[in-house]
Amino acid sequence: DARVTQTPRHKVTEMGQEVTMRCQPILGHNTVFWYRQTMMQGLELLAYFRNRAPLDDSGMPKDRFSAEMPDATLATLKIQPSEPRDSAVYFCASGSWKDHEQYFGPGTRLTVT
Amino acid sequence: QKEVEQDPGPLSVPEGAIVSLNCTYSNSAFQYFMWYRQYSRKGPELLMYTYSSGNKEDGRFTAQVDKSSKYISLFIRDSQPSDSATYLCAMSAPLTGGGNKLTFGTGTQLKVEL
Repeated sequence: DARVTQTPRHKVTEMGQEVTMRCQPILGHNTVFWYRQTMMQGLELLAYFRNRAPLDDSGMPKDRFSAEMPDATLATLKIQPSEPRDSAVYFCASGSWKDHEQYFGPGTRLTVT
Repeated sequence: QKEVEQDPGPLSVPEGAIVSLNCTYSNSAFQYFMWYRQYSRKGPELLMYTYSSGNKEDGRFTAQVDKSSKYISLFIRDSQPSDSATYLCAMSAPLTGGGNKLTFGTGTQLKVEL
């Protein structure tokens, strides 16, 4: 049963701390997406990778957020320093050449106090 | 104004009812139209997608796209309590550098009562 996995599932941290979220895409998928979901804004695209190269990160605050794919089995999203307004659920999704068919992980619920 | 508008609900219906969920959009570049279902504290899962105007049916679900009105719908027939979830519409447009970007609606919360 192929699934996108994300760690950690929950993270509580203090303002100013670094947060790293990890994602393992489905084996064979060559596109990876990072989204942030809040009640007010819904799902927002933060970063989009194809074949490990960034295609779009226009939705990501560049001063504190960074996204990388060190290899085909791992994508990371880092926030440094974290702020209370970063509290949200962060989803990773992966797909094949059909970008509209995205498979989402269970999310990381982040709380910054 | 957001590119994709969706009524947040909540929408409550009795079991067996026909449910109609809708989204409107403003970007003419959208090419694919998707419906995702999200259960509480889970990630969204793709239900259906369509490329052109018209209807597409899959079991109890029918997706409808009207590009001239920039309006899409999802119909659920014989609704079941297990259909209780948040339904997100999503639309994709090509990116200048390649690939396609999805823009999501904020979701409609549906509850099907016994």
